[in-house]
Amino acid sequence: GAGVSQSPSNKVTEKGKDVELRCDPISGHTALYWYRQSLGQGLEFLIYFQGNSAPDKSGLPSDRFSAERTGGSVSTLTIQRTQQEDSAVYLCASSSQLKGDTEAFFGQGTRLTVV
Amino acid sequence: GENVEQHPSTLSVQEGDSAVIKCTYSDSASNYFPWYKQELGKRPQLIIDIRSNVGEKKDQRIAVTLNKTAKHFSLHITETQPEDSAVYFCAANGGTYKYIFGTGTRLKVLA
Repeated sequence: GAGVSQSPSNKVTEKGKDVELRCDPISGHTALYWYRQSLGQGLEFLIYFQGNSAPDKSGLPSDRFSAERTGGSVSTLTIQRTQQEDSAVYLCASSSQLKGDTEAFFGQGTRLTVV
Repeated sequence: GENVEQHPSTLSVQEGDSAVIKCTYSDSASNYFPWYKQELGKRPQLIIDIRSNVGEKKDQRIAVTLNKTAKHFSLHITETQPEDSAVYFCAANGGTYKYIFGTGTRLKVLA
């Protein structure tokens, strides 16, 4: 179907509040990734959902960050007690293969601003 | 885990000249090396990729080379055009199958 969809496109939140970011991957894609891109910076790996296996959470920067993927499809990234340094664009990507050896398709991202 | 280094961080070329971006990786288990282009305010999009069983791949003005022994790979853009101006990211998949990206190269093509 359509490409990777993320919502909201923009989110402004107050410091200390919790936020939820949503990713709707391409239908049938078994691999789902979350990345963070700070202004003018690179793509920082956060978490990888690999089919039915346990997710690779090695990139989550702190225990305030968590993510889940329900039914092997939609994923939600939750940031608790947001801090100003969490301000960034959060990108989701999905891929049809689990070995990271094929194209990953990116969503348009959620721009998070913590004020 | 995998670590990918990318150089240069910025690159300016005259229109029509060639541009070369270089990346090195650390995990010898990496077998897939994609290159993404990100235009201002847009999502990264794949422009070319190479697998570890080949040394070079070409698609029109874009080519990628891979040296497995030295663990480095490069993107070559010939006859650059203003629309090539963007940020380019290399990546490697490592043994844990997640894409680890380089820090990006901001390419400016001067008309």
